Amino acid sequence: DAGVIQSPRHEVTEMGQEVTLRCKPISGHNSLFWYRQTMMRGLELLIYFNNNVPIDDSGMPEDRFSAKMPNASFSTLKIQPSEPRDSAVYFCASRSPGLEGGEQYFGPGTRLTVT
Amino acid sequence: GQNIDQPTEMTATEGAIVQINCTYQTSGFNGLFWYQQHAGEAPTFLSYNVLDGLEEKGRFSSFLSRSKGYSYLLLKELQMKDSASYLCAVNTNAGKSTFGDGTTLTVKP
Repeated sequence: DAGVIQSPRHEVTEMGQEVTLRCKPISGHNSLFWYRQTMMRGLELLIYFNNNVPIDDSGMPEDRFSAKMPNASFSTLKIQPSEPRDSAVYFCASRSPGLEGGEQYFGPGTRLTVT
Repeated sequence: GQNIDQPTEMTATEGAIVQINCTYQTSGFNGLFWYQQHAGEAPTFLSYNVLDGLEEKGRFSSFLSRSKGYSYLLLKELQMKDSASYLCAVNTNAGKSTFGDGTTLTVKP
């Protein structure tokens, strides 16, 4: 299995631009998580999907952030408009079905820099 | 909400044993995970405890006491490649995990 796939791996953009991050979970996994990691705030959960349905989006910072999961093999996290404080590494992770206590498998992350 | 505490940094010598502690406060506890994260890489799963006691996996062991809200990760026969950040994460019945800020372990020769 290829593992969780994220694209792009690096993104540099100017403040005010729209940013779209993409994630393909491991085939057969039905839970998907988006995290943001910074030195100051550590690893924060942004949103959690189960069977393509958003279960908990309480970690989404504000209306500038939105996430979708149109099918079991694809999810996007969009930031519009982007701001310098959004600079971070964004990880996507997935988990096997029926294992709410099971481990998560992380993608390689997208390093976002907003200037 | 959830509160997870672990030391920020630790240093140990190659070949030695190190214990990384984690304390937590949560409702709806459904397991505790330890992840390893090397600099510039993604976290990778190390261990999982849902019942009290010790889980051993090679050089790594993890312990849980639910009544005390306490866990530790024990690393034996330390190797230089063990230098990394170790993240404690608490899972809830809602199916999501909250991560601690991580403990940066430096292994010296």
